[in-house]
Amino acid sequence: AQSVTQLDSHVSVSEGTPVLLRCNYSSSYSPSLFWYVQHPNKGLQLLLKYTSAATLVKGINGFEAEFKKSETSFHLTKPSAHMSDAAEYFCVVSPYSSASKIIFGSGTRLSIRP
Amino acid sequence: GAVVSQHPSWVICKSGTSVKIECRSLDFQATTMFWYRQFPKQSLMLMATSNEGSKATYEQGVEKDKFLINHASLTLSTLTVTSAHPEDSSFYICSASVRDEQFFGPGTRLTVL
Repeated sequence: AQSVTQLDSHVSVSEGTPVLLRCNYSSSYSPSLFWYVQHPNKGLQLLLKYTSAATLVKGINGFEAEFKKSETSFHLTKPSAHMSDAAEYFCVVSPYSSASKIIFGSGTRLSIRP
Repeated sequence: GAVVSQHPSWVICKSGTSVKIECRSLDFQATTMFWYRQFPKQSLMLMATSNEGSKATYEQGVEKDKFLINHASLTLSTLTVTSAHPEDSSFYICSASVRDEQFFGPGTRLTVL
C-alpha cells in the first residue's frame, strides 16, 4: 500500500528566510513523487517531480526536494522565501511511473511574514 | 506543457437541480481523466477515474448515481452532479495524465443553495 504524510499542516516563515516543508512516504514499489502548489481558488501547479533519476530534484521558482530512500522522505526546500510563495503545498506519491491513481498528502499551508 | 481546462469555473444552483462540469484536455489526448473533490482547507479526494469509451471507476463511498461521469471523447470528460444538495457544495478538480504526470484543471467551485 502507498501513503504520504505531510508532517506540518501550517508553516510560517519570514520573507527572505529558508522554507522547509516535510513529506514522508510509504510505498511498496519505487515511487514517483511530486510536489504541487495551489494558490487560493486555483488549480494545482507542478513544482517538481522525482522519478528515480537524480535524488536532488530542482523545480520551478527556486524550490528543490531531495529524495532520501533510507528516511522515506521527500522534503521541499527553498533558500529564501518570497511573499508570492504563500499557498497550499501538496506532496503526492504515484505508485508507478505512469499516470495511475495517485495519493495526496493532507497539505501544508505556507504563510510568509513580511 | 499540457493544458487542462474546466467549465464553468464557478456555478451556483438551487437544491434539487443538476449541474454539469466539463473537463477538457486542450492540446493532448487523454484516455484517462480523474475527478477530485476538495473541501475548504482540506486535501484533494479522488472521486472517480474516467476512462474514454467505458464506465468510470468510482472510489469507495462515492455514489455513482449521484455523480455521473461521461468520457465520450479523448479530450472531454464530464461530471454531472444530479439532484444537488447543499452538502455537495465543494471545489471540483479534474486532471488528465500524460506519461508519468498528471495535469490539473483550474477547478470548479459549486455552491448549492
